[in-house]
Amino acid sequence: SQQGEEDPQALSIQEGENATMNCSYKTSINNLQWYRQNSGRGLVHLILIRSNEREKHSGRLRVTLDTSKKSSSLLITASRAADTASYFCATDGTNAGKSTFGDGTTLTVKP
Amino acid sequence: DTAVSQTPKYLVTQMGNDKSIKCEQNLGHDTMYWYKQDSKKFLKIMFSYNNKELIINETVPNRFSPKSPDKAHLNLHINSLELGDSAVYFCASTQGAANEKLFFGSGTQLSVL
Repeated sequence: SQQGEEDPQALSIQEGENATMNCSYKTSINNLQWYRQNSGRGLVHLILIRSNEREKHSGRLRVTLDTSKKSSSLLITASRAADTASYFCATDGTNAGKSTFGDGTTLTVKP
Repeated sequence: DTAVSQTPKYLVTQMGNDKSIKCEQNLGHDTMYWYKQDSKKFLKIMFSYNNKELIINETVPNRFSPKSPDKAHLNLHINSLELGDSAVYFCASTQGAANEKLFFGSGTQLSVL
């Protein structure tokens, strides 16, 4: 079964609002990554957080990781129409060399 | 300069045909992957090669055969295409064998009629 599950499946907000997406996973991990996929394009790496880290920032992105709850969240602050995309979490689980992706959250930011 | 490039972008073919998708990366990475994304955007790993050697082979039908002539190239050949093979196929690469920061190609949308 899929390692990661994300919620919500779809999120629609106005420009300038914050967007929060959650990812839950099932097994122990070494790291968790977030990716963005624009329509018709490949995935682009956003941020990686290691299992011994609790929070990480990159520009308008903030990622948290709670290994006790096996969950992570991605917060996009001050969203822009260009943030409209699907967002995926990926974990390496117990299988080295393999990223297992969640189901994705489709974010729509309305101008 | 495209880091991971795959061709073709679109592939429309009849059931039973054989087709290939090519992938090249100019990042000097050691590890390359093929992922399959279905219509619900579910992304699943198919194969992984590290320095031309197969290291991951998920439960993929043996109609799918990857080939890595060198560490910069990983091609995917599919025999006897079936309707269920319709999906978007992504090539990706990463530095070393560590499973961190995948660089993806832009995908090949395969439609089997």
